[in-house]
Amino acid sequence: GENVEQHPSTLSVQEGDSAVIKCTYSDSASNYFPWYKQELGKGPQLIIDIRSNVGEKKDQRIAVTLNKTAKHFSLHITETQPEDSAVYFCAVLGGADGLTFGKGTHLIIQP
Amino acid sequence: EAGVAQSPRYKIIEKRQSVAFWCNPISGHATLYWYQQILGQGPKLLIQFQNNGVVDDSQLPKDRFSAERLKGVDSTLKIQPAKLEDSAVYLCASSRGMGYGYTFGSGTRLTVV
Repeated sequence: GENVEQHPSTLSVQEGDSAVIKCTYSDSASNYFPWYKQELGKGPQLIIDIRSNVGEKKDQRIAVTLNKTAKHFSLHITETQPEDSAVYFCAVLGGADGLTFGKGTHLIIQP
Repeated sequence: EAGVAQSPRYKIIEKRQSVAFWCNPISGHATLYWYQQILGQGPKLLIQFQNNGVVDDSQLPKDRFSAERLKGVDSTLKIQPAKLEDSAVYLCASSRGMGYGYTFGSGTRLTVV
């Protein structure tokens, strides 16, 4: 089955700086790559996604880049704000199976 | 649109007892998923339904876990008997179909003592 590795497990950045979280996957047939944000006591919330026919997608302060050849994709958050503090998960979808998630990155925004 | 509804929000049971969780997906979403999220880890797929049929239950511990979606709308997940290692948050998600983004509910936090 699909194997998803996510790094780092914890990331601390100063407010206003950028944050980058990276994921690698194993199945070259995977074609959908969403990112989720999870706040304490809540379910994961989709924040951005990308499909395999696109290399980059941006939505205001967040962007996702995909390198299908290397089988990795990254989440970029610019001008970080306190409300960006949360756990972020990458996920991968291939075939008819459900999403396979990474282990998560705890993002801490330092004031 | 209303989100994915789950109940109860919290449940504490003793080991070997049984427990059931309920999920009501977003109206019109054909695909429904149950995930298990152990503290500090990413969600792990337990079972996937397309309407009222099972698409994938390969990671469901079938000796103790069962799930159904009889009318293709609501779903229940049951654990019988529960073990200590079943302590986790059980998340339900739905989507318009396979290959579309998921919307998750807030989950049920299960503690087995």
